[in-house]
Amino acid sequence: GAGVSQSPSNKVTEKGKDVELRCDPISGHTALYWYRQSLGQGLEFLIYFQGNSAPDKSGLPSDRFSAERTGGSVSTLTIQRTQQEDSAVYLCASSSTPPSEQYFGPGTRLTVT
Amino acid sequence: AQTVTQSQPEMSVQEAETVTLSCTYDTSENNYYLFWYKQPPSRQMILVIRQEAYKQQNATENRFSVNFQKAAKSFSLKISDSQLGDTAMYFCAFSGYGANSKLTFGKGITLSVRP
Repeated sequence: GAGVSQSPSNKVTEKGKDVELRCDPISGHTALYWYRQSLGQGLEFLIYFQGNSAPDKSGLPSDRFSAERTGGSVSTLTIQRTQQEDSAVYLCASSSTPPSEQYFGPGTRLTVT
Repeated sequence: AQTVTQSQPEMSVQEAETVTLSCTYDTSENNYYLFWYKQPPSRQMILVIRQEAYKQQNATENRFSVNFQKAAKSFSLKISDSQLGDTAMYFCAFSGYGANSKLTFGKGITLSVRP
């Protein structure tokens, strides 16, 4: 079946603009995770959804970051007033029965100029 | 909170030989999962192998096997008969249960397989 998909694959934006990143998990996977990968910080957890609720949003770095999940499926990560330090690859993963394996999407590379 | 440490930033191995990647972790939990993920230059994270902490038997997947030492909090990955396609970044990761099911990653190790 189809894997996790993310869009866009690449996004270049100007500092101060808002961006939305989208994640389509594997059908039927109830758990969805967002991570960020950057050269300086490695792989960092951002937020975890179980269904439409987020029991763990401890990794969101500031209140400029928010995420939602609707219908227990698609998730959107929104970054407001982007800063250069937001430049990174944003990875989404889904899982059928946490904490079993998570399946990752190809990521969105965000560049803030 | 848990931490995962991969102290070797990079390694190199000759094709067809065996290499071991090290990982240590720290946690106060008794039940958890450990994983090795591979990330080739394409950026796609791929699960290599997983180990459930309550299982004493070491996990194996074809050419990949782990040495899980729960008391020592050590979780190394052995790659046998290395292939050129094994060239990638390898990340060790920890996951707890329930609301703590997020992955905590080590910094990764760059593995190069030489022809």
